[in-house]
Amino acid sequence: GQNIDQPTEMTATEGAIVQINCTYQTSGFNGLFWYQQHAGEAPTFLSYNVLDGLEEKGRFSSFLSRSKGYSYLLLKELQMKDSASYLCAVLDSNYQLIWGAGTKLIIKP
Amino acid sequence: SQTIHQWPATLVQPVGSPLSLECTVEGTSNPNLYWYRQAAGRGLQLLFYSVGIGQISSEVPQNLSASRPQDRQFILSSKKLLLSDSGFYLCAWSGTEPSSPLHFGNGTRLTVT
Repeated sequence: GQNIDQPTEMTATEGAIVQINCTYQTSGFNGLFWYQQHAGEAPTFLSYNVLDGLEEKGRFSSFLSRSKGYSYLLLKELQMKDSASYLCAVLDSNYQLIWGAGTKLIIKP
Repeated sequence: SQTIHQWPATLVQPVGSPLSLECTVEGTSNPNLYWYRQAAGRGLQLLFYSVGIGQISSEVPQNLSASRPQDRQFILSSKKLLLSDSGFYLCAWSGTEPSSPLHFGNGTRLTVT
């Protein structure tokens, strides 16, 4: 079967750095997406990785290791507005998007 | 720029009643269109997707159907709602490239009573 694993919930402090991990076991791999979803709202696109390495976008960075089936989302200089769920999704060999259940990130002042 | 409109934002319907949710996209042509459902605390479940007018693929057997009568219009329907149809319904569009991300509408929170 296909599986995406993310921690259910994480807590971090305003101004700090947090790393949200995602491991996947899928039939093939054609890319990995990260989305942010605030409570009661729709997900919004954050990043896409298809090659190994780190992609940086402002305070957010996403890393991929295809050999390990592993990705992480790194959030720096945390702000209260970063409190949200973060969804990891993988495109499998059939270009079907497999979704993780999401990680709820709680930011404390 | 591209925008996606989805309505209504919230809906309370009795069991056995019909359903129609509509989604329209502006600013792009021939998008891929999707209907997702999200249960509380769970991942997104793909219900239907469409790569063109009249072309609908269903991912899970269910009480729902979808139609794409125009290039940028996607409709989710049911003839008789079940309690289990309650959830957060999301319409999305993407480009045709695999790396094209999904862009979601604001969602419809459906409660079947």
